[in-house]
Amino acid sequence: GENVEQHPSTLSVQEGDSAVIKCTYSDSASNYFPWYKQELGKRPQLIIDIRSNVGEKKDQRIAVTLNKTAKHFSLHITETQPEDSAVYFCAAHGGATNKLIFGTGTLLAVQP
Amino acid sequence: NAGVTQTPKFQVLKTGQSMTLQCAQDMNHNSMYWYRQDPGMGLRLIYYSASEGTTDKGEVPNGYNVSRLNKREFSLRLESAAPSQTSVYFCASSVTRNNYGYTFGSGTRLTVV
Repeated sequence: GENVEQHPSTLSVQEGDSAVIKCTYSDSASNYFPWYKQELGKRPQLIIDIRSNVGEKKDQRIAVTLNKTAKHFSLHITETQPEDSAVYFCAAHGGATNKLIFGTGTLLAVQP
Repeated sequence: NAGVTQTPKFQVLKTGQSMTLQCAQDMNHNSMYWYRQDPGMGLRLIYYSASEGTTDKGEVPNGYNVSRLNKREFSLRLESAAPSQTSVYFCASSVTRNNYGYTFGSGTRLTVV
């Protein structure tokens, strides 16, 4: 079935540094790739998304890139702040299953 | 406008007991979903309802049943709870199955002892 792999599982950076989280997906027909942020004890919240007809999308300090050929997509956070500390999930939608399949999450810790 | 509301927030069950998790949305969304979240496993889809009157299995449906009571409400039932069902359960909704803006509820933390 459709699979989404996410790396790394944990990431620790110093405040002000950049953080990159990478995901790969298995179904080449997937066409939508959202990223969710989940703070401790809270619900997942959509922070940015990208569709398969776009290679990159930016929103202030966060950006997402998509390589359809390699079936990779990545989340980039620049100038990290302590409030960026959370678990981040990637997901892929569409294709044969027509469902949103999540990666296993990345725990990002931003050290002040 | 509350978004997606889940009840209860916490529940402890004994093995073999039954319970229903309730979910309601007030955004006039057509599609609703139940996910479970376990450490290191991400969010896994249990069941979903693409529209009122329809339900379909997700990745991990065994041990669960669902009811789409009306457009607003989508409940998840555990008929005979097992320790393996200890998890955090999230309900979500979207405008349609192919409109991908999922909104999540605040979650139900379920422990089965």
